[in-house]
Amino acid sequence: AQSVAQPEDQVNVAEGNPLTVKCTYSVSGNPYLFWYVQYPNRGLQFLLKYITGDNLVKGSYGFEAEFNKSQTSFHLKKPSALVSDSALYFCAVRPRGTGANNLFFGTGTRLTVIP
Amino acid sequence: ETGVTQTPRHLVMGMTNKKSLKCEQHLGHNAMYWYKQSAKKPLELMFVYSLEERVENNSVPSRFSPECPNSSHLFLHLHTLQPEDSALYLCASSQDLTGGMNTIYFGEGSWLTVV
Repeated sequence: AQSVAQPEDQVNVAEGNPLTVKCTYSVSGNPYLFWYVQYPNRGLQFLLKYITGDNLVKGSYGFEAEFNKSQTSFHLKKPSALVSDSALYFCAVRPRGTGANNLFFGTGTRLTVIP
Repeated sequence: ETGVTQTPRHLVMGMTNKKSLKCEQHLGHNAMYWYKQSAKKPLELMFVYSLEERVENNSVPSRFSPECPNSSHLFLHLHTLQPEDSALYLCASSQDLTGGMNTIYFGEGSWLTVV
């Protein structure tokens, strides 16, 4: 069965410190991998995605994510956290191939950046 | 502004009411989606349309009825809902359904409360 795990419901980090939000997946083949962010009372905003190539993907607002095939992980990172980064973060995976219409989402990780 | 606009943003309806959620995308995309977001649960794909043709119906109860009159507009017609249907309903779009690498862009969501 396809699944995405975000093992931490909540991550707290001090402003200016590096942050990591973890994601592992169990999807057949080599899926496409995505990160989205959701601010309070808003929809999901696309941050970045991994298609192929370099394992380190750079995205919006200074975020990046590292794809690790052997560990089936796609952790989201940022070198220096801002208070405005506080939000709910979702990892998602999408199988390759036609007919793969669905994004499988994790349950989300709430990031709180402490001033 | 994501290019996907949802109305209304908030809706309160009784269990015997009939209402509709509306979605419009300004991105020139050919695929549109309805997702349901409930607390503490992963996002659930409800329906997928490609070029106005429904290509996926994820075992959604018949009290939810989608309509896609053209590639820019998507509706979710609601009737005789249950309190457990209260959730955030997210509309989304992507360029098309080929291969799965296309990013899915979400609207701001419609908060539905069934009383």
